[in-house]
Amino acid sequence: ILNVEQSPQSLHVQEGDSTNFTCSFPSSNFYALHWYRWETAKSPEALFVMTLNGDEKKKGRISATLNTKEGYSYLYIKGSQPEDSATYLCASWDSGNTPLVFGKGTRLSVIA
Amino acid sequence: DAGVTQSPTHLIKTRGQHVTLRCSPISGHKSVSWYQQVLGQGPQFIFQYYEKEERGRGNFPDRFSARQFPNYSSELNVNALLLGDSALYLCASSQGAGRTYEQYFGPGTRLTVT
Repeated sequence: ILNVEQSPQSLHVQEGDSTNFTCSFPSSNFYALHWYRWETAKSPEALFVMTLNGDEKKKGRISATLNTKEGYSYLYIKGSQPEDSATYLCASWDSGNTPLVFGKGTRLSVIA
Repeated sequence: DAGVTQSPTHLIKTRGQHVTLRCSPISGHKSVSWYQQVLGQGPQFIFQYYEKEERGRGNFPDRFSARQFPNYSSELNVNALLLGDSALYLCASSQGAGRTYEQYFGPGTRLTVT
């Protein structure tokens, strides 16, 4: 069974700080890595879909990198704002019959 | 444009009962996936449907079933409810069934089994 790990489980940062967290996934048979942001009382929102080793994607102050050979992805938030407070989920899809598997998420709290 | 909609928002059922959850995808999206999310865990994949055909099934018992209609809306059915079925059930739609399509999630249905 595909196992996707996210760390840290939670973190608190001050407004203006930059932060990053990790998603680890099995590198064998890798196909795609998804990142989602899930704010309280809202629906999960797609951030990035990444497939290529070395890929880097950016959306505003949020960016992500992908290393498929070693099986990890980093999500970076530059200059955190209170509205960035959310749970950030990653999900990995391999090339076999295993369905999309989510990690447990990193819960980010940005303190004003 | 309307996003993914789910109904009902909340539901309370008794053990042994049956439940039907409904999902309407974004217009133009032909794939619908269902997920179960329990507190402290990430969403767990239940089913994916594309063009009314089942394209994937997660590790859930046969009490769970789903279908997709010609208008691409979908139903998730759970029979013989157990206390452990209490969870948030999320529906997500995407344009296609491929693994690189972004999924757009609905607000979820909160199911409580007593």
